[in-house]
Amino acid sequence: LAKTTQPISMDSYEGQEVNITCSHNNIATNDYITWYQQFPSQGPRFIIQGYKTKVTNEVASLFIPADRKSSTLSLPRVSLSDTAVYYCLVGPMDSSYKLIFGSGTRLLVRP
Amino acid sequence: KAGVTQTPRYLIKTRGQQVTLSCSPISGHRSVSWYQQTPGQGLQFLFEYFSETQRNKGNFPGRFSGRQFSNSRSEMNVSTLELGDSALYLCASSLVEGGDTEAFFGQGTRLTVV
Repeated sequence: LAKTTQPISMDSYEGQEVNITCSHNNIATNDYITWYQQFPSQGPRFIIQGYKTKVTNEVASLFIPADRKSSTLSLPRVSLSDTAVYYCLVGPMDSSYKLIFGSGTRLLVRP
Repeated sequence: KAGVTQTPRYLIKTRGQQVTLSCSPISGHRSVSWYQQTPGQGLQFLFEYFSETQRNKGNFPGRFSGRQFSNSRSEMNVSTLELGDSALYLCASSLVEGGDTEAFFGQGTRLTVV
């Protein structure tokens, strides 16, 4: 399973766009990139998943360059409630649910 | 639909005791996986069950075990508790079929070993 590297923490202000980049240099051909969000004392929550180029849903966008060695989670116009830890995961979609979490990025959104 | 339910939410046990945690997955989900979260080690995979069979196992000692019932509900057991077993134990369920790989997590069980 590919190892991921993310910034330990990031600060932002309400209303700003936040981009969190994840490095995964050893990503395999059949690996997908998935992001989860976790609030204190709660389980992680799925945000978005992608394989290449760009994926967008109602809460975020995921940008994946052609070499797939990194990915960027983009949160538009963050609010205080987006303060959380964000995890980037890389692994195959082989219906085997062994999620390997890294250290994550602790995002703090200030008023 | 109801989410993943974990019981109990909080638990205090003494060293040497054993504990059983329960997880009820989302209706229709057949895969249940368990994770341990501690401040020092982060989120670590324990094991995954699918159709009552353990498919994957993380790097944890044999004191950690689990099982899944025919209704997909799962339990995990920790025997001979150690202080280091104090953690938030999270359960996640997944649909598996149709290419859906999103994992839905419960609120967790906070275990404190004293």
